[in-house]
Amino acid sequence: TQLLEQSPQFLSIQEGENLTVYCNSSSVFSSLQWYRQEPGEGPVLLVTVVTGGEVKKLKRLTFQFGDARKDSSLHITAAQPGDTGLYLCAEPGANNLFFGTGTRLTVIP
Amino acid sequence: GAVVSQHPSWVICKSGTSVKIECRSLDFQATTMFWYRQFPKKSLMLMATSNEGSKATYEQGVEKDKFLINHASLTLSTLTVTSAHPEDSSFYICSAKGHLLRNEQFFGPGTRLTVL
Repeated sequence: TQLLEQSPQFLSIQEGENLTVYCNSSSVFSSLQWYRQEPGEGPVLLVTVVTGGEVKKLKRLTFQFGDARKDSSLHITAAQPGDTGLYLCAEPGANNLFFGTGTRLTVIP
Repeated sequence: GAVVSQHPSWVICKSGTSVKIECRSLDFQATTMFWYRQFPKKSLMLMATSNEGSKATYEQGVEKDKFLINHASLTLSTLTVTSAHPEDSSFYICSAKGHLLRNEQFFGPGTRLTVL
């Protein structure tokens, strides 16, 4: 099982600011998923990236997969209070998911 | 999209009692269900994987006699926390995967267990 480190662990920003969170691995990802989890809820899948260098956009969220497939980033433009939550990266295994350590984002109105 | 429900959403119990949590796939057949545990402000930790009609596979360090998992049908899995203690207090989340759903896991809303 590889270790998925996310940074920063906590992030508190003002509404309208931009931010980037990172997911790094000790070895190469086969593919990578990003989830958002709101308090008291289960995680919800945001995106899956598969190809090194791949960039995917989901409204104000931009996901990038590193060329070497050992890291990924999530950039949020003009953050809103609704973006508040725990952001998790995860690598799909043969039959399960390995979750990263998580970044807890708070967007202050 | 595929929907997974959990019941109850929260439960408070006394030490020494057993608590059963249900996980249901509402609109698809779940060939595999997963149980995760999440401590406050922490990530999800996989506890066990269960396939319909067979015994669950537990992750290292998870006591199978304490966390009993039953996956009796393609739409229902249960997690029973036996002889609960305060250290078992946590947020328990299930997820389900169906072979027609592109290998994606769909998560339930979680169950918050508090053991007094």
